[in-house]
Amino acid sequence: AQKITQTQPGMFVQEKEAVTLDCTYDTSDQSYGLFWYKQPSSGEMIFLIYQGSYDEQNATEGRYSLNFQKARKSANLVISASQLGDSAMYFCAMREIIQGAQKLVFGQGTRLTINP
Amino acid sequence: GAVVSQHPSRVICKSGTSVKIECRSLDFQATTMFWYRQFPKKSLMLMATSNEGSKATYEQGVEKDKFLINHASLTLSTLTVTSAHPEDSSFYICSASSRPTGGQYFGPGTRLTVT
Repeated sequence: AQKITQTQPGMFVQEKEAVTLDCTYDTSDQSYGLFWYKQPSSGEMIFLIYQGSYDEQNATEGRYSLNFQKARKSANLVISASQLGDSAMYFCAMREIIQGAQKLVFGQGTRLTINP
Repeated sequence: GAVVSQHPSRVICKSGTSVKIECRSLDFQATTMFWYRQFPKKSLMLMATSNEGSKATYEQGVEKDKFLINHASLTLSTLTVTSAHPEDSSFYICSASSRPTGGQYFGPGTRLTVT
């Protein structure tokens, strides 16, 4: 069963608009972490934002915020005032701790294209 | 801080040869390193987890004799693709963590092409 689901293969947004990238997850653990990464065409994985399962407030990092709906098991990424440089692949990931070791499970990714 | 490098960034090799990819943590001690594989337009898949000084733990379906991982020091892990074949062509990314359950810092990736 897919543990991390990103249902939007591609998104097209006008520059300066806000965009929401969807992510739902599946886990029976009480303690887990959720991440969003940006991967430009160069291939590097750029960490954007982190939300812990016990964090009561939504995480924010500059123009990035994470809309954490724990009961719905969703962790959507919101990018405000989008810029041309935001065009990239975006991956949602969940960290599980299994027997003292961690594992990051990634979603399928969403390709975001910002149009001028 | 928390910089991870990979070398080489790109490599082309002939079928049947072996290729070694290095992953280094430049400004911290990485007790745990992770190796991922990414096919074109696909997501990252964890291949194995290695802790310094011990054998790597491979994910199901990953051949440990095919993908040799060595984590001999706190700043260096290597992935050797032995007897490479065209189907091994992929983007290989490492990440490093200062603790087994700590945040992962990703390297820039290595694009392997086997001809």
